[in-house]
Amino acid sequence: SQQGEEDPQALSIQEGENATMNCSYKTSINNLQWYRQNSGRGLVHLILIRSNEREKHSGRLRVTLDTSKKSSSLLITASRAADTASYFCATDTFGNEKLTFGTGTRLTIIP
Amino acid sequence: DAEITQSPRHKITETGRQVTLACHQTWNHNNMFWYRQDLGHGLRLIHYSYGVQDTNKGEVSDGYSVSRSNTEDLPLTLESAASSQTSVYFCASSAGDVGGKTEAFFGQGTRLTVV
Repeated sequence: SQQGEEDPQALSIQEGENATMNCSYKTSINNLQWYRQNSGRGLVHLILIRSNEREKHSGRLRVTLDTSKKSSSLLITASRAADTASYFCATDTFGNEKLTFGTGTRLTIIP
Repeated sequence: DAEITQSPRHKITETGRQVTLACHQTWNHNNMFWYRQDLGHGLRLIHYSYGVQDTNKGEVSDGYSVSRSNTEDLPLTLESAASSQTSVYFCASSAGDVGGKTEAFFGQGTRLTVV
């Protein structure tokens, strides 16, 4: 069964706007990660946040984690056409390094 | 540069045939994973390995097997291909939780069609 569920399933915004995607998970985690997948390509790691962290930034990316609600959000600021892709959250648990992925959010940036 | 490569990139096979998908990484990572990606299901874990001679079943392991004889390779075998195994297959590797290194590196994927 999927550990993570992303919301929304699909999102279309104008270039320059901010995009927010959410991820909910079911069990206690060690780390939560976000990945990007361009059409026809493999997944690329974007950012990792540990269970004892609440917020993390990397360039135009901001990730928050609320372990009490078992949820995370990914914010992409000042979106660009090149941000068009599918975004997945993935979790691992203490003592178990396998990643469990959600179903993804398909983001489309309209030029 | 270190990388992870999958071969073949595309494969068409007949129902009932045995098929092996190759995965080779030069990161010297301990962990290797096989996922399948289907529309509406995201990525589902098939098998994984934490080191040489170690293999574990994932959530959708029926009909698949793996072996880990060295650090670099984790081939995925479909014992008797079925149409339900038509999918895109991704191999990934990670260093393991040494200083938080569970970040995974993915191959480009293998699109398998079973006819």
